[in-house]
Amino acid sequence: GQNIDQPTEMTATEGAIVQINCTYQTSGFNGLFWYQQHAGEAPTFLSYNVLDGLEEKGRFSSFLSRSKGYSYLLLKELQMKDSASYLCAVVDSNYQLIWGAGTKLIIKP
Amino acid sequence: KAGVTQTPRYLIKTRGQQVTLSCSPISGHRSVSWYQQTPGQGLQFLFEYFSETQRNKGNFPGRFSGRQFSNSRSEMNVSTLELGDSALYLCASSAWASGNSPLHFGNGTRLTVT
Repeated sequence: GQNIDQPTEMTATEGAIVQINCTYQTSGFNGLFWYQQHAGEAPTFLSYNVLDGLEEKGRFSSFLSRSKGYSYLLLKELQMKDSASYLCAVVDSNYQLIWGAGTKLIIKP
Repeated sequence: KAGVTQTPRYLIKTRGQQVTLSCSPISGHRSVSWYQQTPGQGLQFLFEYFSETQRNKGNFPGRFSGRQFSNSRSEMNVSTLELGDSALYLCASSAWASGNSPLHFGNGTRLTVT
């Protein structure tokens, strides 16, 4: 079967750095998306990785290792507004999105 | 550019009834996907339409159906509602098929079945 694993919940301190991991076992791989979802709001696109390595976009970076079936989202200089759920989604061999259950990130002052 | 618009925002229905939800994608987007989101299950894929054709379907019973019109607007129908259908229903549009381009989500329709 297809499986995406993310931690259910993480807590970090304002101003710190946090890494949210995503491991996957899917039938084929054609890319990986990260989305952010604030409580009561719709998910919004953060990043896309299809090749190994690190993609940096401001305070957010996303890393991919296809051989390890592993990705992480790195958030730097955490702000209170970063409190949200972070969703990992893998594109399988049929170009269908397989979603993780999401990681709820709690930022404390 | 206007975002993805879903109507209505809230719905309360009784068991056994049916419901139709509407989604207007971003102008120029050809793909519309539908998801069910509940606190315990996360995002569950319902189906995706691309250029009026159902491209993919998730593991939901036949009570859940959808369609896409020539202007890319999409509707989702749930017949014979059950209590377990209470959820947030999210629609997302993308320029190309969902695996090829980022999804842009609407604010959802919150359905409560009593």
